[in-house]
Amino acid sequence: EVQLVESGGGLVRPGGSLRLSCAASGFTFSRYWMHWVRQVPGKGLLWVSRINSDATSAGYADSVKGRFTISRDNARDTLYLQMNSLRAEDTAVYFCARDVGNCFGDRCYGDYYFDSWGQGILVTVSS
Amino acid sequence: DIQMTQSPSTLSASVGDRVTITCRASQSISTWLAWYKQKPGKAPTLVISKASHLESGVPSRFSGSGSGTEFTLTISSLHPDDFAIYHCQQYHSYSPTFGQGTKVEIK
Repeated sequence: EVQLVESGGGLVRPGGSLRLSCAASGFTFSRYWMHWVRQVPGKGLLWVSRINSDATSAGYADSVKGRFTISRDNARDTLYLQMNSLRAEDTAVYFCARDVGNCFGDRCYGDYYFDSWGQGILVTVSS
Repeated sequence: DIQMTQSPSTLSASVGDRVTITCRASQSISTWLAWYKQKPGKAPTLVISKASHLESGVPSRFSGSGSGTEFTLTISSLHPDDFAIYHCQQYHSYSPTFGQGTKVEIK
C-alpha cells in the first residue's frame, strides 16, 4: 500500500523558515516524480513544486520561487520542502503527492497529476 | 498560468440525484484534465484522468467528458459517500492548476 506521511509543520513567524518532510513507503520511491501541493483551509488546491525522480530538476510556482526549495533523498525514501522567508499567505495545509508518471528503462517522466497524496500538514505563518 | 473555473461552487442534491459539475479552462488543454474528490480534513483522491478515464476502484456512476476548454464530471446517482468537494486540475502545462472546487452537499 502506498503511504505518504508529512511532518515538520507548525507555527512560524513571518520571515522564518521551516522544513517539511514526506516519508514514502509501499512503492519504489526513486522511480517517481514527486510534488508539493498546498491548500488554504476552506479554499482550493495550489501546486507548489515538483522534483523529478533522480533529483536533477525541479520546478516551482511563481509565488514560492526563490524562497522554497524541493529536494529528495532516494536512499531514505523521503521528500523535502525547505521554506524560507515565509509570509502570512503561505499559511496552508501542505500535501506531498506522487506523480502518476511513467518509466521507460532508466528514464522516468512526470505527468503532472497525482495518484497518491499524504494526509497533509498544517503550516501557520503568524506573529 | 492556465486558469480553471468550476461551476457551480456549491451544489445541493439528494441521494439518487444525477449531478453534473462543469470545469472550464482559460485556454485549450486537449484532454489533459483530472478530477479529484476530497472529504473534509482528508487528502484528495484521484477519480478521473485524461478527462474521461475512470481510475481503478472508482464506481461506474462517475463519468467525465469534454476536451479543449470545457469539461464535465457527472455522478449518475448520488450515493451518501459522494457528498464531498470535487476539484478539476489541468496538466497540460508544467504549472498544473486547479479549479476552486465544487462542494456537493446534502439538500
